[in-house]
Amino acid sequence: ILNVEQSPQSLHVQEGDSTNFTCSFPSSNFYALHWYRWETAKSPEALFVMTLNGDEKKKGRISATLNTKEGYSYLYIKGSQPEDSATYLCASRMSGSEKLVFGKGMKLTVNP
Amino acid sequence: DAGVIQSPRHEVTEMGQEVTLRCKPISGHNSLFWYRQTMMRGLELLIYFNNNVPIDDSGMPEDRFSAKMPNASFSTLKIQPSEPRDSAVYFCASSRDSSKSQPQHFGDGTRLSIL
Repeated sequence: ILNVEQSPQSLHVQEGDSTNFTCSFPSSNFYALHWYRWETAKSPEALFVMTLNGDEKKKGRISATLNTKEGYSYLYIKGSQPEDSATYLCASRMSGSEKLVFGKGMKLTVNP
Repeated sequence: DAGVIQSPRHEVTEMGQEVTLRCKPISGHNSLFWYRQTMMRGLELLIYFNNNVPIDDSGMPEDRFSAKMPNASFSTLKIQPSEPRDSAVYFCASSRDSSKSQPQHFGDGTRLSIL
């Protein structure tokens, strides 16, 4: 059974704070790790797809790192803004399948 | 470019009725995924197709659920007969190339309520 865990489940921060959250996944037969941003009343949007151990990706103030040997990924948001408020989902893909197994998500609220 | 298009956006019906959800993937994408999102279980994969062929339907809850993809631009998810516990948001997603690590692009979802 492939379990993807995210922590914390929710986070309230003030505008300007930096945040980071964790996604853990089974490391055996790993193929790719996806991060999605999901705003209320919208659909999930892809942030990053990461495949290599040690990979680091960045989009604006958001960045992510990947450790495939120990099975975790970190997502960082530098200088959080109210528009960053959303649920952040990670999903793991095993080799030999296109199936994504999603974590339950981390709901971020950034207060102005 | 048009994204993944799902219809209807909302569906309210009585238990026992047949429900059909529709999805048009992004043109040129060869993989299509149906997900169900609930508070308790989060986002779960029901079934996915590659080049119109069902590859993994292990997430389909039971025989009341069926999915088809008659061509590259259309897929349906059918529930017959529907039950109140089927109430959820159903998402369709597509991706470009199964051999590479491509992101999935999601539609806006269908919010289904079974009374």
